[in-house]
Amino acid sequence: NAGVMQNPRHLVRRRGQEARLRCSPMKGHSHVYWYRQLPEEGLKFMVYLQKENIIDESGMPKERFSAEFPKEGPSILRIQQVVRGDSAAYFCASSPFGTEQYFGPGTRLTVT
Amino acid sequence: DQQVKQNSPSLSVQEGRISILNCDYTNSMFDYFLWYKKYPAEGPTFLISISSIKDKNEDGRFTVFLNKSAKHLSLHIVPSQPGDSAVYFCAATTSGGSYIPTFGRGTSLIVHP
Repeated sequence: NAGVMQNPRHLVRRRGQEARLRCSPMKGHSHVYWYRQLPEEGLKFMVYLQKENIIDESGMPKERFSAEFPKEGPSILRIQQVVRGDSAAYFCASSPFGTEQYFGPGTRLTVT
Repeated sequence: DQQVKQNSPSLSVQEGRISILNCDYTNSMFDYFLWYKKYPAEGPTFLISISSIKDKNEDGRFTVFLNKSAKHLSLHIVPSQPGDSAVYFCAATTSGGSYIPTFGRGTSLIVHP
């Protein structure tokens, strides 16, 4: 059973471009969470999704950030018009029942 | 305002000795606590957890202690091994909600051979 997969592992974007981060949960997991880790910080919750539904987006910035988890395919975290402050490691986690979470390896986003 | 605090950014321990990582929390609604271990360039991996109905949980070399009155928990690793060198995150959540953990900033443990 493959673990949580994230791609790309590294992403470089210029200011103003869009960043798309993908997360494929573990097989059989229908709960997906996105976290952001800034340098020297802990993981900050962004959004919690189940298939086709956003359950909790209380940690998402109000502008430029969006997330989806379609019926088919991976979960996508989209950041529009990236700024330098968006540079961080973005981790996805999945869970079978909304309990213990299994994390992917992360996507390191660098905005130049 | 940090609700979960790990006040020691780093800890250095000799192989074979005990490693003690500390964590404090402020939100009295938290009733489930987790420790994650993270190697560089990897995602966090779940290590051990404890519910507020217990004050101790043990799994092999890892033991977590919870002091509810002090809002404090600690992770003990005995004996420490070089492979334990990693960043350890403490996390807390409320079991009745959407189970989204609040993480501390992490403690970097280095175990010297």
